[in-house]
Amino acid sequence: GIQVEQSPPDLILQEGANSTLRCNFSDSVNNLQWFHQNPWGQLINLFYIPSGTKQNGRLSATTVATERYSLLYISSSQTTDSGVYFCAAMTYTGGFKTIFGAGTRLFVKA
Amino acid sequence: GAGVSQTPSNKVTEKGKYVELRCDPISGHTALYWYRQSLGQGPEFLIYFQGTGAADDSGLPNDRFFAVRPEGSVSTLKIQRTERGDSAVYLCASSLGEPANYGYTFGSGTRLTVV
Repeated sequence: GIQVEQSPPDLILQEGANSTLRCNFSDSVNNLQWFHQNPWGQLINLFYIPSGTKQNGRLSATTVATERYSLLYISSSQTTDSGVYFCAAMTYTGGFKTIFGAGTRLFVKA
Repeated sequence: GAGVSQTPSNKVTEKGKYVELRCDPISGHTALYWYRQSLGQGPEFLIYFQGTGAADDSGLPNDRFFAVRPEGSVSTLKIQRTERGDSAVYLCASSLGEPANYGYTFGSGTRLTVV
């Protein structure tokens, strides 16, 4: 089945810094999503981005489907950005499968 | 409702007991998903409903797990003869339609602890 790898596994930033999180996937996908899981466990959908680039405030994401990767950019990080960032890839090959990566754990220091 | 609602938020049960976890999706969302998340890991797919039918239940770990969505809205995940390894956060999500075309909205989860 499809494999989803995220890097880096852990990231510590000083407030105000920028960062790039990466998600590699092993097969073509029909759907690619980025989620933020806050310290209370709530998963928030950040982007639905099977291809192209989207921006939402300080966050933006780019998926290059032909090269099987997606990037999440966080600019001017804030302490409230702390938590775990997951990408999830879905493929219909052999049935519906959505696979989450292991996540990037981000801590933003004040 | 405004969001995906899951009840209870926490459940502690004894090994061997039966439990039911409830998910109330966003009104009008035809697709509903159950995931399980263990500590330090990403969510693991269990089952996907489109309307009343299970479109894909290949993620259910064994026949102790079963889920229903009889009227195409509320869903119940049922676990028989619970084991300590079933302890996890059970997450429900819904989306407006086919998973290839829409993003998911997750509930806050039910933390299940089997003692």
